Amino acid sequence: DAGVIQSPRHEVTEMGQEVTLRCKPISGHNSLFWYRQTMMRGLELLIYFNNNVPIDDSGMPEDRFSAKMPNASFSTLKIQPSEPRDSAVYFCASSLWTVDTEAFFGQGTRLTVV
Amino acid sequence: RKEVEQDPGPFNVPEGATVAFNCTYSNSASQSFFWYRQDCRKEPKLLMSVYSSGNEDGRFTAQLNRASQYISLLIRDSKLSDSATYLCVVNLNAGNMLTFGGGTRLMVKP
Repeated sequence: DAGVIQSPRHEVTEMGQEVTLRCKPISGHNSLFWYRQTMMRGLELLIYFNNNVPIDDSGMPEDRFSAKMPNASFSTLKIQPSEPRDSAVYFCASSLWTVDTEAFFGQGTRLTVV
Repeated sequence: RKEVEQDPGPFNVPEGATVAFNCTYSNSASQSFFWYRQDCRKEPKLLMSVYSSGNEDGRFTAQLNRASQYISLLIRDSKLSDSATYLCVVNLNAGNMLTFGGGTRLMVKP
C-alpha cells in the first residue's frame, strides 16, 4: 500500500484565493483526520470523519475552512478565502475506528499564503 | 490548560546517554496513549504504544501513571539517529481521535 497520499506537497497562494488540499487514505481505513501544524500551536486536529461522516469539526478555526469526504477513498480540505495566518503544514491521517490502533499520516501539504 | 503538555526542550545529550521525557494529560477518561516521532519536515510516525503495565521496545521504555496522569518515555544508549521531536499522544474517546502534545525536541550529539 502506498500509504496516505496528500496533494499538493507545496502550495503558495495569494491572500484571498481559494485553496483545496486533497487526501487519499489507506484502503480499508474507516477514519480520516485533518491536522494543522505550526511552530506556535503544534499539531491541531481540525476535523475527523468516520465512515465518510464528519464526527467532530470543533477544531475548524472558522467558516473559511470546510472539509468533505464524498467517498471512502478521498477527502478535501478547502480554505476560502485564504489568509496569511493559514500558512502551516496540513496533515491528513487515516486509521481504523478503534481505540488502540495506529494513525498513519500523509507527508503533508506545506501551505504558504502571501 | 492544554489537554496534553510536554516540555518542548530541546534536550541536548551526548551519544550513549540516557534521556527521559515526561508528558501530562488533563482528561482522566483518556483511554489510550502513544509516543510518536517526527523528524524535521516529515510526518509523525508511531514510535510505540504505552500500556498501563509499562512496555519496552529495544532501547525505548514507555510508562503510564494513570493516578498522576502522566506518561514517560526513556531512551537508553541514545544514537545520533534518535534526534527528532517526540510527540506524546492521547486518545480521548472510543474512536481514534488522537490529541497531540506540543512535542519534545531531542538532539543527540557525537
